[in-house]
Amino acid sequence: AQKITQTQPGMFVQEKEAVTLDCTYDTSDPSYGLFWYKQPSSGEMIFLIYQGSYDQQNATEGRYSLNFQKARKSANLVISASQLGDSAMYFCAMREGPPRAQKLVFGQGTRLTINP
Amino acid sequence: GAGVSQTPSNKVTEKGKYVELRCDPISGHTALYWYRQSLGQGPEFLIYFQGTGAADDSGLPNDRFFAVRPEGSVSTLKIQRTERGDSAVYLCASSLSGSSVDTQYFGPGTRLTVL
Repeated sequence: AQKITQTQPGMFVQEKEAVTLDCTYDTSDPSYGLFWYKQPSSGEMIFLIYQGSYDQQNATEGRYSLNFQKARKSANLVISASQLGDSAMYFCAMREGPPRAQKLVFGQGTRLTINP
Repeated sequence: GAGVSQTPSNKVTEKGKYVELRCDPISGHTALYWYRQSLGQGPEFLIYFQGTGAADDSGLPNDRFFAVRPEGSVSTLKIQRTERGDSAVYLCASSLSGSSVDTQYFGPGTRLTVL
């Protein structure tokens, strides 16, 4: 079964608009972490934001915020005031509690295109 | 400071040949990870090192794949008798200590093409 599901293969957004990228996850571990990475055409995976399962507040990092709904097992990424440089692949990933605490499990990704 | 570096950036080889891919982690990071990303997919875990030892190699697809990290810094992923299905981008990541709250920082990857 898929542990991380990203249902949007592609998204097209006008510059300066906000965009939400969906991510749902599946785990029975009470302790886990959720990550979002950006992968531009250059190929490097760039860390954006992290949410721990016990965190009381939604994570924010500049224009990035994570809409964490634990009961629904969703961890959507919100990008405010999108910019042309935000065009890239975006991956949601999960790390479950020990002893499997180290490896990340990734979703299929969403390709975001920002139009001028 | 310097990020994770990987060499070569591109490697083209013929079916049946042996290849080595190198990863140089962020200085001071004790945890090192290898992932493989096929076209149109998310990265898939291969192996995790804590220091010199492979703490989890559950993602290695078969015994043609092997990785080492002899001095706890640079790691080499070795693939014997390459097959066309091994063609992918091989990503290396490192983190400070390997704890569950550590962020993994990725290198630019090595694109392997097996003809």
